Amino acid sequence: SQTIHQWPATLVQPVGSPLSLECTVEGTSNPNLYWYRQAAGRGLQLLFYSVGIGQISSEVPQNLSASRPQDRQFILSSKKLLLSDSGFYLCAWSVQGVTEAFFGQGTRLTVV
Amino acid sequence: SQQGEEDPQALSIQEGENATMNCSYKTSINNLQWYRQNSGRGLVHLILIRSNEREKHSGRLRVTLDTSKKSSSLLITASRAADTASYFCATGLGTLTFGKGTMLLVSP
Repeated sequence: SQTIHQWPATLVQPVGSPLSLECTVEGTSNPNLYWYRQAAGRGLQLLFYSVGIGQISSEVPQNLSASRPQDRQFILSSKKLLLSDSGFYLCAWSVQGVTEAFFGQGTRLTVV
Repeated sequence: SQQGEEDPQALSIQEGENATMNCSYKTSINNLQWYRQNSGRGLVHLILIRSNEREKHSGRLRVTLDTSKKSSSLLITASRAADTASYFCATGLGTLTFGKGTMLLVSP
C-alpha cells in the first residue's frame, strides 16, 4: 500500500535561518507531488506541485522553493526564513490523471 | 485563488444530530471532493462527486451537487463526537483548490 512520510512534525526556527522540509512517498511510482500551506483557521494554499523529477511549478511568489531530486521525494526549502513563513505545511501526492490527493501529517513551522 | 467557499464557518451540534455543510464554487468543474482534517493533522479524502452526478452516499455521508447553482452540500447523519473535525471542499484536476473549511464540533 502507498504511504506518505513528512517530517519533522514540528519545527521552531529563528528568522533568517534556512529551512528544509522533506516528504517521501512509498508504494507508487511517478506520483504528482504537492506542497500546501495552511494558515491558522484557513484553507489550504497550493505552493508548489511537481509532475516529475526536476519539474516544479510554483503557484505563488514567495520566500520558498521546492525540489524533486528523486521520483518519490519532494523537498521544501528556504534560504532565509521570514516571520510570515510560519504555518502548517502539508505534502500530498496523487496518481497522475486521478484527482484524489493523499496528505502527509503536516509540519507545524513557527518562525521566531 | 479561492474556488470553494464553505459555510457555515463553524457548526456545533449534539451527538446523534445531523450536520450539513455547504460549499459554493465559482467556475465549471469536472468533480468536487470533500476532505476531513482532524486538528493539527493532514487531510483525509472522504468522497468525490462527478459533475454528472447529483447525489452520492458513503456510509453516514451524503453529498449533493447542483452544478446550476455551483454548490455542493455534505450531510453527516447521526453524528458522533469522533466526527469533530474541519471539513473542506476541493475542486480541480491535479492541483486542487480548497475552501476555508467548516469546523464541526460534535458534543457528547
